[in-house]
Amino acid sequence: NAGVTQTPKFRVLKTGQSMTLLCAQDMNHEYMYWYRQDPGMGLRLIHYSVGEGTTAKGEVPDGYNVSRLKKQNFLLGLESAAPSQTSVYFCASRKLAGAYNEQFFGPGTRLTVL
Amino acid sequence: AQSVTQLGSHVSVSEGALVLLRCNYSSSVPPYLFWYVQYPNQGLQLLLKYTSAATLVKGINGFEAEFKKSETSFHLTKPSAHMRDAAEYFCAVRPSGGGADGLTFGKGTHLIIQP
Repeated sequence: NAGVTQTPKFRVLKTGQSMTLLCAQDMNHEYMYWYRQDPGMGLRLIHYSVGEGTTAKGEVPDGYNVSRLKKQNFLLGLESAAPSQTSVYFCASRKLAGAYNEQFFGPGTRLTVL
Repeated sequence: AQSVTQLGSHVSVSEGALVLLRCNYSSSVPPYLFWYVQYPNQGLQLLLKYTSAATLVKGINGFEAEFKKSETSFHLTKPSAHMRDAAEYFCAVRPSGGGADGLTFGKGTHLIIQP
């Protein structure tokens, strides 16, 4: 199993450009999450999904949109990138059954907005 | 909203010395508790999690953590540090119950191992 994979690994954007980050998991997990990691801030939740076709806002959702058309994929979109969105983005997934289940993380996407 | 406090953004220990990384949570009801490790330029890997089966939890790579409800703490320890333990460590919580809530992370502690 590949676990959680993210595409691309690195990206540089200019202010105002748009892009989509792709997350894929092959563990048949119901829940999926997008986080951003900034120096000295830990990870903060952007959006999450409890299943195909459903999404919800996390702690820092502004400037991002998400979609989950297939159970194994979770897309994060930036419609008009801003320098404040320079960050490392992590996707994670978790199995529904089991109260103590942990989240499994992807390797991250490093995004720079100039 | 829940919060997690990790005391010390950087902790430096000598190889072979005790490692102690502190984590306190703010919640009247104990949440689900996790420790993750992040090696340079990698994703997060689970070290251990509290499952209520025992207050002392053993994880991978010789790490363990003790849950103390009265102190709202879940500190991470390792008896003898190794050079390969140099990494960023994150304490994370999720509200108790059966929801799909994401994790709330502490700001992380960078562990430095001195030879």
